[in-house]
Amino acid sequence: NAGVTQTPKFQVLKTGQSMTLQCAQDMNHEYMSWYRQDPGMGLRLIHYSVGAGITDQGEVPNGYNVSRSTTEDFPLRLLSAAPSQTSVYFCASSLPNSPLHFGNGTRLTVT
Amino acid sequence: QQQVKQSPQSLIVQKGGISIINCAYENTAFDYFPWYQQFPGKGPALLIAIRPDVSEKKEGRFTISFNKSAKQFSLHIMDSQPGDSATYFCAASKTGGGNKLTFGTGTQLKVEL
Repeated sequence: NAGVTQTPKFQVLKTGQSMTLQCAQDMNHEYMSWYRQDPGMGLRLIHYSVGAGITDQGEVPNGYNVSRSTTEDFPLRLLSAAPSQTSVYFCASSLPNSPLHFGNGTRLTVT
Repeated sequence: QQQVKQSPQSLIVQKGGISIINCAYENTAFDYFPWYQQFPGKGPALLIAIRPDVSEKKEGRFTISFNKSAKQFSLHIMDSQPGDSATYFCAASKTGGGNKLTFGTGTQLKVEL
């Protein structure tokens, strides 16, 4: 079982560049979400989805877009990268009222 | 606005000792309190979780103690082992809230021989 797969594992961007972080899950989970992890701040919710075609903002959504066209995929788009977006990004999936399953993260550096 | 406060930030325990990590929450609507364990280069993984209808839950060497009136909960790791060295996060969410977790800031645990 692959679980939650995130690509790429590492990425370096220049300020102003755009990119998409990919997330795919093969567990037929309805819920998917994106978190960012920063030292001393834990994990903070960026965006989440409770099903295909449904997305909503989390705690820190500014500068990020998401879409959910299929149950399996939940890409996170950085429109114009800023140094403040340097972080480790985690995608998670779950069934309703069930534990989250996390991917192994994408480490993003914006210079 | 830190809705879930976690302490300590780091912890060093001798092998065989007890590790204790504490969390406090503010939102009384929270009704699900999981603990996640994270090893370097990996995503967090669920360790143990509790709902407020019980005051304690034990799974092997790991125990959650929950105090609803104080809005506090803690993780106890008995007979701590070097393999327990990891970062631990407490979290909270509310049923029907889309499984949105609010995390604490994390505790880096090191278990020394």
